[in-house]
Amino acid sequence: DTGVSQDPRHKITKRGQNVTFRCDPISEHNRLYWYRQTLGQGPEFLTYFQNEAQLEKSRLLSDRFSAERPKGSFSTLEIQRTEQGDSAMYLCASSQAANYGYTFGSGTRLTVV
Amino acid sequence: AQSVTQLDSHVSVSEGTPVLLRCNYSSSYSPSLFWYVQHPNKGLQLLLKYTSAATLVKGINGFEAEFKKSETSFHLTKPSAHMSDAAEYFCVVSEYNQGGKLIFGQGTELSVKP
Repeated sequence: DTGVSQDPRHKITKRGQNVTFRCDPISEHNRLYWYRQTLGQGPEFLTYFQNEAQLEKSRLLSDRFSAERPKGSFSTLEIQRTEQGDSAMYLCASSQAANYGYTFGSGTRLTVV
Repeated sequence: AQSVTQLDSHVSVSEGTPVLLRCNYSSSYSPSLFWYVQHPNKGLQLLLKYTSAATLVKGINGFEAEFKKSETSFHLTKPSAHMSDAAEYFCVVSEYNQGGKLIFGQGTELSVKP
């Protein structure tokens, strides 16, 4: 296992389209986090899972956003009816436990045109 | 509520001189504190972390940070900068009772001049 994988690396989509991103965490990590990073800013927390349970969602996660982790392994983040303001880097991280140590993926860069 | 303030948005040093990146935090409980580095078009890499053990924490690539509770600070230092240290640095706070989610500072861009 080489780390946290995210797919795709880049996504360009037209405004109004739906997009889905995938994150494969380190296999023994039961916690999975999604963050969003816009240009010149630090990453902002979106949501996290412990195993398959989604335990917290940020206010940043509007109704157009949904995340799943159906079997407690990989996770998907879907954005419906994309807007230009959704353009950002979407980062996934995993850990064995809270505050234990986090491994980040390389991110998915979304551009909405 | 937790928060992190990185006091400098940009720091420029000459190669071979010391590096100081400043960070203040706010936390209701005993926090865990981290420094991450992000090179252009690369993922976030953990430099070091403080989790209530020794207050002086040593990390990778010669970096270290000191946790000062009385000053609510967690400044990052390195005795001698290298050209490869040029990157964006993030100070991060986390609380166990907040699910371990990370709260990032705005970042400090470090430039290293030859």
